[in-house]
Amino acid sequence: KAGVTQTPRYLIKTRGQQVTLSCSPISGHRSVSWYQQTPGQGLQFLFEYFSETQRNKGNFPGRFSGRQFSNSRSEMNVSTLELGDSALYLCASSFGGTGGSYGYTFGSGTRLTVV
Amino acid sequence: AQSVTQLDSQVPVFEEAPVELRCNYSSSVSVYLFWYVQYPNQGLQLLLKYLSGSTLVKGINGFEAEFNKSQTSFHLRKPSVHISDTAEYFCAVNDDTDKLIFGTGTRLQVFP
Repeated sequence: KAGVTQTPRYLIKTRGQQVTLSCSPISGHRSVSWYQQTPGQGLQFLFEYFSETQRNKGNFPGRFSGRQFSNSRSEMNVSTLELGDSALYLCASSFGGTGGSYGYTFGSGTRLTVV
Repeated sequence: AQSVTQLDSQVPVFEEAPVELRCNYSSSVSVYLFWYVQYPNQGLQLLLKYLSGSTLVKGINGFEAEFNKSQTSFHLRKPSVHISDTAEYFCAVNDDTDKLIFGTGTRLQVFP
């Protein structure tokens, strides 16, 4: 079956712009989590959605938001981009409502560069 | 609070040599532990996981890990590495909200 699909793979944006990233989880997976990966901070949890509801949220400013649709696809949005938002954004899906406790399946990520 | 410490940021090793990547955790809840591998410009791939039962866990690509509750460790081992094992390896533990907390990663560099 298809894995976790993230689009686009690469993005270049200008400071102050906004961006939307998309994630399609594995079929049947209802939980979608987002992580930001940077060389300095490593993997940091952004948020998790389950059945269209945000179930968990990390320590990121309100410029970072997300949502999940009825087909479990998820989007995350970053408004008023800053240079420090440059990162690899990873989406991970998991079965049921267990979040990460039984392990995630990750997508290949979206590489965002803010200039 | 839950945390993961990966003691080595880089581990150089020659091909066909054994390797151990170290991971220590801190957790106040029932522990689930994971090792993921990340190749350049890719996402994370699950190598193995410990949920319960046998403390020796076997994963893909010949890797295994041992859960040691008394030492709060979950070290990853492979008896003979290959050039293709060169990658970043992440240890992770669940927290009390069911999300995974990741370590800072260990870069395994295999030399011919």
